[in-house]
Amino acid sequence: EAQVTQNPRYLITVTGKKLTVTCSQNMNHEYMSWYRQDPGLGLRQIYYSMNVEVTDKGDVPEGYKVSRKEKRNFPLILESPSPNQTSLYFCASSLLGGTRDEQYFGPGTRLTVT
Amino acid sequence: AQSVTQLDSHVSVSEGTPVLLRCNYSSSYSPSLFWYVQHPNKGLQLLLKYTSAATLVKGINGFEAEFKKSETSFHLTKPSAHMSDAAEYFCVVKPPSGGYNKLIFGAGTRLAVHP
Repeated sequence: EAQVTQNPRYLITVTGKKLTVTCSQNMNHEYMSWYRQDPGLGLRQIYYSMNVEVTDKGDVPEGYKVSRKEKRNFPLILESPSPNQTSLYFCASSLLGGTRDEQYFGPGTRLTVT
Repeated sequence: AQSVTQLDSHVSVSEGTPVLLRCNYSSSYSPSLFWYVQHPNKGLQLLLKYTSAATLVKGINGFEAEFKKSETSFHLTKPSAHMSDAAEYFCVVKPPSGGYNKLIFGAGTRLAVHP
């Protein structure tokens, strides 16, 4: 089954404790992206990647890092989480360009930083 | 700059009555437009997509949307609401990019369906 998976689905952590949220897709998509969802703000892009070893900042990149060492994986790293990073996070992937470039979303990771 | 405005943060309808979720966009160029749905505790699912072919786009679960360039609108409709339609709906614009696949989301409309 074609899908985007994220782990963990739920995470409660404390300020300053490094964490990684994993994202994996099995559709051979070039493009992958991380979003955060906050009430009343919709989804905002954190980082994106157009292929292996090619990453760039989205609209709200502060406090986050990413890497793209393999095509299928795109982990999100919070080196020193803070309470304002409490949010619902989504990973997405898609083909690049053409008419089949709609993004497929993972199930989400709900992060709470205390 | 591209932007998306969903005109209602909450919409409440009775089961069996029509649904209208309103969306206006601003874009300097002809964008791709999408509607996504998010059911409680679930990820986002693509409902439908407009890419400059037909202006009336049919999606899954009986939803459709009409692209009106003169009004810069892309409203989502369904003739008869079902209880399972209760969810949050996002209108999304993707500017023409030449390879950069950025999506710009509206703030969302929460649809409640009452018996």
